[in-house]
Amino acid sequence: SQTIHQWPATLVQPVGSPLSLECTVEGTSNPNLYWYRQAAGRGLQLLFYSVGIGQISSEVPQNLSASRPQDRQFILSSKKLLLSDSGFYLCAWRQGASTNEKLFFGSGTQLSVL
Amino acid sequence: TQLLEQSPQFLSIQEGENLTVYCNSSSVFSSLQWYRQEPGEGPVLLVTVVTGGEVKKLKRLTFQFGDARKDSSLHITAAQPGDTGLYLCAGLNSGGSNYKLTFGKGTLLTVNP
Repeated sequence: SQTIHQWPATLVQPVGSPLSLECTVEGTSNPNLYWYRQAAGRGLQLLFYSVGIGQISSEVPQNLSASRPQDRQFILSSKKLLLSDSGFYLCAWRQGASTNEKLFFGSGTQLSVL
Repeated sequence: TQLLEQSPQFLSIQEGENLTVYCNSSSVFSSLQWYRQEPGEGPVLLVTVVTGGEVKKLKRLTFQFGDARKDSSLHITAAQPGDTGLYLCAGLNSGGSNYKLTFGKGTLLTVNP
């Protein structure tokens, strides 16, 4: 069966510090991978998605970047965190692009930038 | 950018009541999905609707996709405290990239015992 791992679960970082959040998927190959951010328990904002190794599409210009060094690994990074980067970060995967394909989410990382 | 508007934003009801939440857009979607999210966890898919006018039932939950595939509703009958959570609708772009799901801001439902 497929599983998605996301860590850490919580993170408190000072302003100006770097960030690296990692997400890995097991039990599937060539998944579409996504990073979402959710502010204050509300809607999900798509940050990045990837359809293959080294292929990253950015949805919102901001202080963050993403990389996909391996098929089932997706990393969210920042060189210098801002206060506005605080939020709940969710990694997700999806097998294909058909209309019935659903997103499987990780358990999220609660990031607080102080 | 395709936007999904969900209403109401917040809903607090008593156990046993019925409720309906809405998901509306001016854009057409290939399909629309409903997710439920509990605090500190990722959203979990409830249903996918694909055909205009489609109605799907999941126990006490009834989902409907509008005829024009621009809107959807979720009706819960005899709500229970276990139904408490954030309900999110998500639309798959029509005519564009099939890789992106656009999410609404959600309806936060609280069912009081």
